[in-house]
Amino acid sequence: NAGVTQTPKFQVLKTGQSMTLQCAQDMNHNSMYWYRQDPGMGLRLIYYSASEGTTDKGEVPNGYNVSRLNKREFSLRLESAAPSQTSVYFCASSVRGSGNTIYFGEGSWLTVV
Amino acid sequence: TQLLEQSPQFLSIQEGENLTVYCNSSSVFSSLQWYRQEPGEGPVLLVTVVTGGEVKKLKRLTFQFGDARKDSSLHITAAQPGDTGLYLCAGRGTNAGKSTFGDGTTLTVKP
Repeated sequence: NAGVTQTPKFQVLKTGQSMTLQCAQDMNHNSMYWYRQDPGMGLRLIYYSASEGTTDKGEVPNGYNVSRLNKREFSLRLESAAPSQTSVYFCASSVRGSGNTIYFGEGSWLTVV
Repeated sequence: TQLLEQSPQFLSIQEGENLTVYCNSSSVFSSLQWYRQEPGEGPVLLVTVVTGGEVKKLKRLTFQFGDARKDSSLHITAAQPGDTGLYLCAGRGTNAGKSTFGDGTTLTVKP
């Protein structure tokens, strides 16, 4: 079972470059999320999508955009990367709302130099 | 934003010892979850508690939700090296909002 799959696993960007993190889930979940994880700061929600066709800002949305392409896919885009966006990014999904089990991908390590 | 404070931030113990980690907030949660994360992987759900005062056991792990649904604890009996990891609590607000994660407790169990 694939679960939540995100790519790429590792990426190094130069300041000002753009890139898109891809995420797909095969569990027919309605809700999808993008988190970033920094040392000592736990998981912070960037954006989420409660259902296909909707997206909402989380705690730290500045510098990011998202697209819920269909029920399976939820991408995260950095339009102009900054060193402060160096982090580990996790895509996640849940059946409906985060009171249910949240299933996470394996993470994407992004370094902005 | 509903803040969740976890303590201790770091914990290093010997195999066989018992430990308790805490997750505290000033806010009331409709449910609270505990996740465990190993290096290089995403968090994995251990348990969800929804009723004030609820106690759930998962082998050597005991989870308790506070009576007022503002806090929770995770107790591990006879810790093993395989318990090593980052333990995260996540609380869901009473207005059916999104879950908020604590900063986590990094546990190291030495053989």
